[in-house]
Amino acid sequence: QVQLQESGPGLVKPSQTLSLTCTVSGGSISSADYYWNWIRQPPGKGLEYIGFINYLGSTFSIPSLRSRVIISVDTSKNQFSLRLRSVTAADTAVYYCARVRLIAPSDYVDFWGQGTLVTVSS
Amino acid sequence: QSVLTQPPSVSGAPGQRVTISCTGSSSNIGAGYDVHWYQKLPGTAPKLLMYANSNRPSGVPDRFSGSKSGTSASLAISGLQAEDEADYYCQSYDSSLSYVFGTGTKVTVL
Repeated sequence: QVQLQESGPGLVKPSQTLSLTCTVSGGSISSADYYWNWIRQPPGKGLEYIGFINYLGSTFSIPSLRSRVIISVDTSKNQFSLRLRSVTAADTAVYYCARVRLIAPSDYVDFWGQGTLVTVSS
Repeated sequence: QSVLTQPPSVSGAPGQRVTISCTGSSSNIGAGYDVHWYQKLPGTAPKLLMYANSNRPSGVPDRFSGSKSGTSASLAISGLQAEDEADYYCQSYDSSLSYVFGTGTKVTVL
């Protein structure tokens, strides 16, 4: 059974960089069958897709965050990471890492991390 | 903001049937991309409830059913139970925005 686990600081100061890592266990991150994703949920709001990376390092992030987001992968550690620069209070959210199964045109999230709350506050 | 629109809330008495709509456009659902549904309980990660419009993963009760037509999709819950009280999200792919989630629907069991 694949498991994903987010890790990183729960409190980040405004204008600093949010950094999270997702450790994948029970399966290899080095598979062409999946994308590795970041999704967030601000308090009281819905799910917001952030972006993905594949095992070769190809990435995508949504236009509204693209200038501030870096997603990277470390296949030797079976991990992928999110860095979000210049954070504001609007970036306060529960951040989930997730695996998308690639079955075009039917890609879907089959495994989620438990989520980690990141609060942006001084 | 999400490109998939859901009703903010639906409710029903135990045993009743409720449906949740997910309305998209010609760049996502209408372009032929499938719709998937997730159930989210408070404080927990979302759980895959339906994939490829109408397929239930192992362990999901057959009280849950899904369909897709044109630029919309729907999730139906028959024989509503107290444990079904949760938030539900649809998800698809948008040709301009990659993966997208619906606005979310809170299901309340009266």
